[in-house]
Amino acid sequence: EPEVTQTPSHQVTQMGQEVILRCVPISNHLYFYWYRQILGQKVEFLVSFYNNEISEKSEIFDDQFSVERPDGSNFTLKIRSTKLEDSAMYFCASSGPVNTEAFFGQGTRLTVV
Amino acid sequence: ILNVEQSPQSLHVQEGDSTNFTCSFPSSNFYALHWYRWETAKSPEALFVMTLNGDEKKKGRISATLNTKEGYSYLYIKGSQPEDSATYLCAFAGTASKLTFGTGTRLQVTL
Repeated sequence: EPEVTQTPSHQVTQMGQEVILRCVPISNHLYFYWYRQILGQKVEFLVSFYNNEISEKSEIFDDQFSVERPDGSNFTLKIRSTKLEDSAMYFCASSGPVNTEAFFGQGTRLTVV
Repeated sequence: ILNVEQSPQSLHVQEGDSTNFTCSFPSSNFYALHWYRWETAKSPEALFVMTLNGDEKKKGRISATLNTKEGYSYLYIKGSQPEDSATYLCAFAGTASKLTFGTGTRLQVTL
């Protein structure tokens, strides 16, 4: 069964460093998303990506964040200068046509120290 | 800020009990309502995507209803089993490309 894969599963980084979280969405999907969950809080929307551009982003997704689909298969989330409060589980998801279910990856646990 | 609320926050039932949870969401600009099941150490897995007022969907012992006019959806589990233990998340789509998640209902089913 097709699945969304994320790497790495766990990343520890020093405050101020750049991190890139990687995702391989399901191959024939059209919409790609990043969500995050800070420990003990709800799942929060970061950004959605369609047709090679951002279609929506939240107020969390500021200039420190960027997304790319560099080669038609990977979908990356870059955080330029990490802060302690960026520590969270980051989930990538993809979906087909609108109003169909989103498939989530297993998540990357980012710890900023 | 969209308000998507789920209740109860957590629930502890015995095997064989039937149970239900509520998701409330804005009644304007409705696009879709999703339900996901999230087991510990796994990724959220879709249960239902509901788009029409009055929709009822069923998958095995789990079913869901949708009322878009008053802004709520119910998820029902009939005859709960220990393997149903998980967090159940609802997510509201006010547009085609953004899901706003509730805080989830954590269900624990014991023998």
